[in-house]
Amino acid sequence: GAVVSQHPSWVICKSGTSVKIECRSLDFQATTMFWYRQFPKQSLMLMATSNEGSKATYEQGVEKDKFLINHASLTLSTLTVTSAHPEDSSFYICSARAGAGVGYGYTFGSGTRLTVV
Amino acid sequence: AQKVTQAQTEISVVEKEDVTLDCVYETRDTTYYLFWYKQPPSGELVFLIRRNSFDEQNEISGRYSWNFQKSTSSFNFTITASQVVDSAVYFCALSGENTDKLIFGTGTRLQVFP
Repeated sequence: GAVVSQHPSWVICKSGTSVKIECRSLDFQATTMFWYRQFPKQSLMLMATSNEGSKATYEQGVEKDKFLINHASLTLSTLTVTSAHPEDSSFYICSARAGAGVGYGYTFGSGTRLTVV
Repeated sequence: AQKVTQAQTEISVVEKEDVTLDCVYETRDTTYYLFWYKQPPSGELVFLIRRNSFDEQNEISGRYSWNFQKSTSSFNFTITASQVVDSAVYFCALSGENTDKLIFGTGTRLQVFP
């Protein structure tokens, strides 16, 4: 079945530094990737949608300059949290879809737990 | 607008009890998909089921069963003879023909005690 690999699984960084999270589709081409954020005991909130080769579409309230998303190839999308602060500490999950339209399933990565100290 | 409501925040049961997790959705799309995911403490999302809007047949998979009723916009999930390993947060989600997005409910935390 479709597999999405997300790295790192967890990361601790100092306040003010940047962190990059990778999301790779291993056995399919992901035309669309989604990035979610989940605070403890809360639901998954969509941050942005990215299509290969295009700029990401961010959800309302998500800072584009802080959460940089790159989807340069059909198998790789990255989320960079720039100038991270403790309030950015969260669980980040990516999701990939093989094509456009609701008929395609969503495959999730295993998530990245970010702690900013 | 699309919305998924999981009114039950937390449910606690004792092993072997049956438990039903409720999911109510709102959408104006004619074609849409409903999903259930399980999130154990480790955090990864485990896909359980996907159902499209034209298929109202109930589904059973082992101890799991799903009841989809368009008339009440509900897609409820029942675990029969619950086990401790079923303890997790369960999310209901929705995507529609007019949106790329997968919208999640707030989740239901299920605790199964031995």
